[in-house]
Amino acid sequence: NAGVMQNPRHLVRRRGQEARLRCSPMKGHSHVYWYRQLPEEGLKFMVYLQKENIIDESGMPKERFSAEFPKEGPSILRIQQVVRGDSAAYFCASSPAAGPYGYTFGSGTRLTVV
Amino acid sequence: GIQVEQSPPDLILQEGANSTLRCNFSDSVNNLQWFHQNPWGQLINLFYIPSGTKQNGRLSATTVATERYSLLYISSSQTTDSGVYFCALRGEAGTALIFGKGTTLSVSS
Repeated sequence: NAGVMQNPRHLVRRRGQEARLRCSPMKGHSHVYWYRQLPEEGLKFMVYLQKENIIDESGMPKERFSAEFPKEGPSILRIQQVVRGDSAAYFCASSPAAGPYGYTFGSGTRLTVV
Repeated sequence: GIQVEQSPPDLILQEGANSTLRCNFSDSVNNLQWFHQNPWGQLINLFYIPSGTKQNGRLSATTVATERYSLLYISSSQTTDSGVYFCALRGEAGTALIFGKGTTLSVSS
């Protein structure tokens, strides 16, 4: 049973380009969470999604950032017109449901904006 | 929202020493997890422990939900234990896991 799969592992983008980060949850998991970790800091919650629904996006910057979790395929975190301050590690986690279940994290995507 | 405090922020140990990491939280929780982030950045799930005590090898954890704290014990520490240990928890069902700022552990041989 494969864990949470994130790709790419490393992504380099020039300022102004778009970054697309993908996350495939564990088999049987229908809840996905995205977190951002800036250098030397903890993980900050960004967005919580179920299939075709955004449940909580209170941690998502209002501009340039969007997330989706379509009926088929992986969850996508999209950052438009990237700036240097977007450089960070982006982690995805999944859980079976909203109840008292543990989260499983992927290995993260390290975004570098040059 | 729920507040999470971890202590100490930094810990330096000699190989073989024991340590206790603490996580205090401000409200009742229905999910509490301990994670280890290794020097390569990977997040390893150590324990899912909203209450009670669990042990896994040299690691054990205890959560006293009524007193709003959790402890992670590391015995006979090894250099591979180095990294950052995060406590993360969720108050109500349907909300996201909130992370503490972590304890950075350095174990030297």
